[in-house]
Amino acid sequence: QITLKESGPTLVKPTQTLTLTCTFSGFSLSTSGVGVGWIRQPPGKALEWLALIYWNDDKRYSPSLKSRLTITKDTSKNQVVLTMTNMDPVDTATYYCARVTIFGVVIILFDYWGQGTLVTVSS
Amino acid sequence: QSVLTQPPSASGTPGQRVTISCSGSSSNIGSNYVYWYQQLPGTAPKLLIYRNNQRPSGVPDRFSGSKSGTSASLAISGLRSEDEADYYCAAWDDSLSVMFGGGTKLTVL
Repeated sequence: QITLKESGPTLVKPTQTLTLTCTFSGFSLSTSGVGVGWIRQPPGKALEWLALIYWNDDKRYSPSLKSRLTITKDTSKNQVVLTMTNMDPVDTATYYCARVTIFGVVIILFDYWGQGTLVTVSS
Repeated sequence: QSVLTQPPSASGTPGQRVTISCSGSSSNIGSNYVYWYQQLPGTAPKLLIYRNNQRPSGVPDRFSGSKSGTSASLAISGLRSEDEADYYCAAWDDSLSVMFGGGTKLTVL
């Protein structure tokens, strides 16, 4: 059974750094073709992709947020960590992590999702 | 503003066939696969379609996807009340970024 779960603070102050952890089970980030990504969704708004990290430590970031994001993995703990610096109230959103699977030339984008965690940015 | 363009809303009556469009460009939909997600109220998105028209195990065949040029569509046939949800398209960009559409709220009348 594949599960992912996000954890981190529910409230952060403006200018602070947000650190979110995605803890997963049922697959390994040391397996070729596996990746984990972060996606966020402001209340009542659309999904927005943030970052991706692959089994080979290749990392991809949203161009518009690249300067503020860092994604890392801890394969031994089955965790992926996302940090976002200089938080602003517009960053208030539900943050999701999700799995990516690559089978040869077939890429299955975000086939399993966590339940999401709401992060509010307010002083 | 999302790179992929979807109509903000769509509607249909039970049993009808509804389609939701997703428009992009040559650098995303035009040269990469399209994915569709269903988000029921208060829940995380769920993968409905991958690789333009493939359904993951467990997704009913009432859901189908297609792509032509720089546009894609999601079709839902035999509409049911439980299909009322937000639907999002997504695609890779040639820069290896992921693009989402703005979402379409489907109402079953």
